[in-house]
Amino acid sequence: GAVVSQHPSWVICKSGTSVKIECRSLDFQATTMFWYRQFPKQSLMLMATSNEGSKATYEQGVEKDKFLINHASLTLSTLTVTSAHPEDSSFYICSAYWTGSDTQYFGPGTRLTVL
Amino acid sequence: DAKTTQPPSMDCAEGRAANLPCNHSTISGNEYVYWYRQIHSQGPQYIIHGLKNNETNEMASLIITEDRKSSTLILPHATLRDTAVYYCIVRDFGGSNYKLTFGKGTLLTVNP
Repeated sequence: GAVVSQHPSWVICKSGTSVKIECRSLDFQATTMFWYRQFPKQSLMLMATSNEGSKATYEQGVEKDKFLINHASLTLSTLTVTSAHPEDSSFYICSAYWTGSDTQYFGPGTRLTVL
Repeated sequence: DAKTTQPPSMDCAEGRAANLPCNHSTISGNEYVYWYRQIHSQGPQYIIHGLKNNETNEMASLIITEDRKSSTLILPHATLRDTAVYYCIVRDFGGSNYKLTFGKGTLLTVNP
């Protein structure tokens, strides 16, 4: 149980385009989901907290107009990287919080490469 | 800032127990200790969490000292697939703040 999926698992795009990443909780409902970014050989950095039906809360230094987050249902959150640039290339990971176990469960991650 | 301190790396022989320490000397009474691991190029995997009592599940055991200032994650029979970065995280269970702050973790290498 407590499975979280992400799609796509990897994506390559051209500079200036937008990319959408989906995060789904497959067997539980998640009122809260989180988006993280991880650069090579570094730890996970929290980007934003996404609550179903409300605006996301962004961490300091994360541009909310660049990283658009939508949490439209209790099982789906999306992250859109707008006008992507090579410096946005990274490993993006989502997690979903399940109240039943008071635990975050993570997706497998999405590798974004911007050319 | 991460509230935990872990050794940067550890080695373990396959089949032996892996004991991963974590110091959280500033932990407060309303904070859990969580353990996750991250295998290369994958999302973190939840292992176990606890408040003050020792916990055990199918993956590992968590031993928390009586003063709660440190804990040890025990993998009873390490395999090569247990090679990963292990993160010890403290998290407030009060209110609605479920955020996790990841430190650098411990790279556990299980050797044949």
